Amino acid sequence: DADVTQTPRNRITKTGKRIMLECSQTKGHDRMYWYRQDPGLGLRLIYYSFDVKDINKGEISDGYSVSRQAQAKFSLSLESAIPNQTALYFCATRASSNTGELFFGEGSRLTVL
Amino acid sequence: AQSVTQLGSHVSVSEGALVLLRCNYSSSVPPYLFWYVQYPNQGLQLLLKYTTGATLVKGINGFEAEFKKSETSFHLTKPSAHMSDAAEYFCAVSPFPGSQGNLIFGKGTKLSVKP
Repeated sequence: DADVTQTPRNRITKTGKRIMLECSQTKGHDRMYWYRQDPGLGLRLIYYSFDVKDINKGEISDGYSVSRQAQAKFSLSLESAIPNQTALYFCATRASSNTGELFFGEGSRLTVL
Repeated sequence: AQSVTQLGSHVSVSEGALVLLRCNYSSSVPPYLFWYVQYPNQGLQLLLKYTTGATLVKGINGFEAEFKKSETSFHLTKPSAHMSDAAEYFCAVSPFPGSQGNLIFGKGTKLSVKP
């Protein structure tokens, strides 16, 4: 089983719908991240959490919200999806004690029509 | 502000040829540097990293990179490309050594390998 699991892996939805992407990890890491990948733009940070009570905005947080339900679970929500949120979303984890290495899930491909 | 620049969004090489993917960074302090690889339909996985010590670092699948402080570069190389190396490669920098600071990613370089 994967150490960082994202669900769903693929989702097609319509404009205005609420969408939740979920991430769970078995690595025991305290830090969790949500990134968005768009062709030619690389990875951009949406939100990150250093522990259950510490959640921070990244560079592109508008239109998104997150919830850290437990150390192992970090979900990303789009309250009212719009077409330019069509992208590949990655969850990642990191131990606070290490040298910065991130461990990624396999991604959730979201299409907003 | 810290930044990472990857020169060339697409690089194409022949099988058996040298692979060179370029990465330059801006940082006011010596950073930690990373290369990640993304195979089709997969997440990113760490290829190699530089933190401290030896400036030539070796990674998985025969890749290596050299940290050159004077050139603010961390180019990725492999002497002989294999078809299985076709993927997208991302350079990343952690501008604050230690546990602080989030990784900043370059925009990626897609490597194609021709038979």
